[in-house]
Amino acid sequence: DAKTTQPTSMDCAEGRAANLPCNHSTISGNEYVYWYRQIHSQGPQYIIHGLKNNETNEMASLIITEDRKSSTLILPHATLRDTAVYYCIVRAQSARQLTFGSGTQLTVLP
Amino acid sequence: DAGVIQSPRHEVTEMGQEVTLRCKPISGHDYLFWYRQTMMRGLELLIYFNNNVPIDDSGMPEDRFSAKMPNASFSTLKIQPSEPRDSAVYFCASSALAGVEDTQYFGPGTRLTVL
Repeated sequence: DAKTTQPTSMDCAEGRAANLPCNHSTISGNEYVYWYRQIHSQGPQYIIHGLKNNETNEMASLIITEDRKSSTLILPHATLRDTAVYYCIVRAQSARQLTFGSGTQLTVLP
Repeated sequence: DAGVIQSPRHEVTEMGQEVTLRCKPISGHDYLFWYRQTMMRGLELLIYFNNNVPIDDSGMPEDRFSAKMPNASFSTLKIQPSEPRDSAVYFCASSALAGVEDTQYFGPGTRLTVL
């Protein structure tokens, strides 16, 4: 699986959009971009995934650049409950396991 | 659905003792994963099963660790003998085979402390 690079930490004001970047410059054509988050003392939680098109669900939007070398997870209206570590993971379609990096600690400030 | 269930939630034991962690996956899921999380190493995959058969155990640290899945609704991770460096949070996750759509659902974890 391709390696990902994320900022160590970010802050966001409550009610504003949180934009979390991820670099995956070595991604290959059959690899998907997944986002999970881990709220303190809980297990990781799936957020969204995509291949090359932008994706949106009830939790977030995923914007993938045309060259697929980077992506951005957008939480449109961050709340205090969104404070968590966010993991960007690249995974081949044939793979079953997830390889977690260090993630980004997002802190939503009141 | 109750989600992935893990027990116990917390375990404190002494070095040398046997520890057994338990997991009940989501009904209908045919993949089960065991992960370990520490401050130093983050989240690491230990082993995963498909249809109760171990597929990849390359992440199991050493022979002191063993995992079984006797049926589709139950799995155990055993450490014998336990050591202080085994202290970590152990997560179980399950997913259903559906190509790349197989989202993994994680349990709440078992926090293990080995004294």
